[in-house]
Amino acid sequence: AQTVTQSQPEMSVQEAETVTLSCTYDTSESDYYLFWYKQPPSRQMILVIRQEAYKQQNATENRFSVNFQKAAKSFSLKISDSQLGDAAMYFCAYRRPLYNQGGKLIFGQGTELSVKP
Amino acid sequence: DTAVSQTPKYLVTQMGNDKSIKCEQNLGHDTMYWYKQDSKKFLKIMFSYNNKELIINETVPNRFSPKSPDKAHLNLHINSLELGDSAVYFCASSLKDPRDRGGRNTEAFFGQGTRLTVV
Repeated sequence: AQTVTQSQPEMSVQEAETVTLSCTYDTSESDYYLFWYKQPPSRQMILVIRQEAYKQQNATENRFSVNFQKAAKSFSLKISDSQLGDAAMYFCAYRRPLYNQGGKLIFGQGTELSVKP
Repeated sequence: DTAVSQTPKYLVTQMGNDKSIKCEQNLGHDTMYWYKQDSKKFLKIMFSYNNKELIINETVPNRFSPKSPDKAHLNLHINSLELGDSAVYFCASSLKDPRDRGGRNTEAFFGQGTRLTVV
């Protein structure tokens, strides 16, 4: 069974600085997707970034980028120029393709990120 | 114009009651999900439907019964509510593609969640 591990329950970063959130996963499959979701206090789940396992290039979305190490099964999220609005719970998630068991998301435990002004 | 809409947002009820949570998506997606987030914020899949057909049932007590009248709706009915059912329940949807390649078909869109409190 696939598992996702986020070993940092809490992280803190100074405004405008850079922070990296860690995520590792365990799978024997070769075709999958990885995601980072953000959950602010409003509780809404917001997609931050996604990575297809077959792509070697690391995904980037504005200030957010990932370091995807497929062999090491590692998928870290880097937030550059941190802003107060980045404060939230961040979840790493693994997903099989939709044709494989309906594409359910398997989540890590979450990392609570605080941003200091 | 909300993409995935859940009602109600908050639900407080007594033990033993029966309650329902409704979910609707206007994205044209054909796969819908229910996830449960517990008090430690851990998220776990409960059910998944594709075109009104149940495809995932993750060892959920049979007091929980999902119902999908059409592919835009997935409701969750809970019988005989227990204290341990208190959680946030999220509905989500995504689009199925036979080849499942390409960014636009891969992410799940979530509703705003329903906080269920059983007293």
